[in-house]
Amino acid sequence: SQTIHQWPATLVQPVGSPLSLECTVEGTSNPNLYWYRQAAGRGLQLLFYSVGIGQISSEVPQNLSASRPQDRQFILSSKKLLLSDSGFYLCAWSPGPYGYTFGSGTRLTVV
Amino acid sequence: AQSVTQLGSHVSVSEGALVLLRCNYSSSVPPYLFWYVQYPNQGLQLLLKYTSAATLVKGINGFEAEFKKSETSFHLTKPSAHMSDAAEYFCAVSETDSWGKLQFGAGTQVVVTP
Repeated sequence: SQTIHQWPATLVQPVGSPLSLECTVEGTSNPNLYWYRQAAGRGLQLLFYSVGIGQISSEVPQNLSASRPQDRQFILSSKKLLLSDSGFYLCAWSPGPYGYTFGSGTRLTVV
Repeated sequence: AQSVTQLGSHVSVSEGALVLLRCNYSSSVPPYLFWYVQYPNQGLQLLLKYTSAATLVKGINGFEAEFKKSETSFHLTKPSAHMSDAAEYFCAVSETDSWGKLQFGAGTQVVVTP
């Protein structure tokens, strides 16, 4: 069966520090991968998606970047965090247009 | 282009009462439709999905939803609310000819009162 792992669960980082959130999927190959953010009261915002290794599409211009160095690994990064980067970050995967499976999320607080 | 509208950002129901969460969509092609539930500080969990088979879809935890093409709706119901149903619920749409990107509604927070 397929599983998705996301870590860390919580993170407190100072403004201006770098960020690296990792997501890995097991039990499938060539998944579509996604990064979402939930800010308070703003629903789910799609940040990045990837249909293959090295293929990244950005939905919203921002202080973040994403990479897919391996088929089942998706990384969200920032060189310098802003206060506005605080939120709940969710990784998800899908085999196609049949719905997502989400990771458990990372609560990021930038102080 | 596709979009999803969830009517009501907050819904309060009594324990044992009907739960009804409304979702309307717009899509240029036949859609796939989904309902997800999110408990505090957790990821989203799939409740049910419509993928062009039966229009009445049954999901987990006693929830079901009916796809009505004429009304472009996919409302979620549960006959009798339980305290454990308190959570946030998201409706989502995926176009069948896409590679899978979902468009989510803004979410509905459900509060269950004793």
